[in-house]
Amino acid sequence: DAGVIQSPRHEVTEMGQEVTLRCKPISGHNSLFWYRQTMMRGLELLIYFNNNVPIDDSGMPEDRFSAKMPNASFSTLKIQPSEPRDSAVYFCASKREAGELFFGEGSRLTVL
Amino acid sequence: AQSVTQLGSHVSVSEGALVLLRCNYSSSVPPYLFWYVQYPNQGLQLLLKYTTGATLVKGINGFEAEFKKSETSFHLTKPSAHMSDAAEYFCAVSSSGGSYIPTFGRGTSLIVHP
Repeated sequence: DAGVIQSPRHEVTEMGQEVTLRCKPISGHNSLFWYRQTMMRGLELLIYFNNNVPIDDSGMPEDRFSAKMPNASFSTLKIQPSEPRDSAVYFCASKREAGELFFGEGSRLTVL
Repeated sequence: AQSVTQLGSHVSVSEGALVLLRCNYSSSVPPYLFWYVQYPNQGLQLLLKYTTGATLVKGINGFEAEFKKSETSFHLTKPSAHMSDAAEYFCAVSSSGGSYIPTFGRGTSLIVHP
């Protein structure tokens, strides 16, 4: 059974550019989460979806960040415009009901 | 409301020594408790979990944890550390009161010396 798949694994971009991170959750999981991890702030929950509906986006840093889940098998996290302080590893995770989270390998973003 | 406190951002042990990583939680309803491990340049993966039943749970790689309700703790142990155990360890809690959305601790970095 395939795990959570994220792309790209690495992204280097220049300040002001648009960045789109992609996630395919595990089939059958009904909740999807986006996290950001940095040395300074640790693991932060940005947003989560339940049955493709955004439930809580209070962790999204600012309006430059947006996330969508158009169907049960795909989600995107977009940053527009990107800034150097957005440099981090972004994780997508999914789970079923009260179960444990399954994480992807992460997307390492560097904004120059 | 639920929260997790991991005591010690770094724990250093010698190879072969006991590993003890501390986790205390707060939850107004019965909790589900998890330990995750993160190796360098990888995502988090589940080590073990407690939901109901036996309070001593065994996980992968020889790790185990005991749910102690009276102490609101879920400490992670391993009798003998191996170099390959060097990683970041995260404790997490979820519950019906929080819609089963997990709350993570800050993480503990385990350093294993030869």
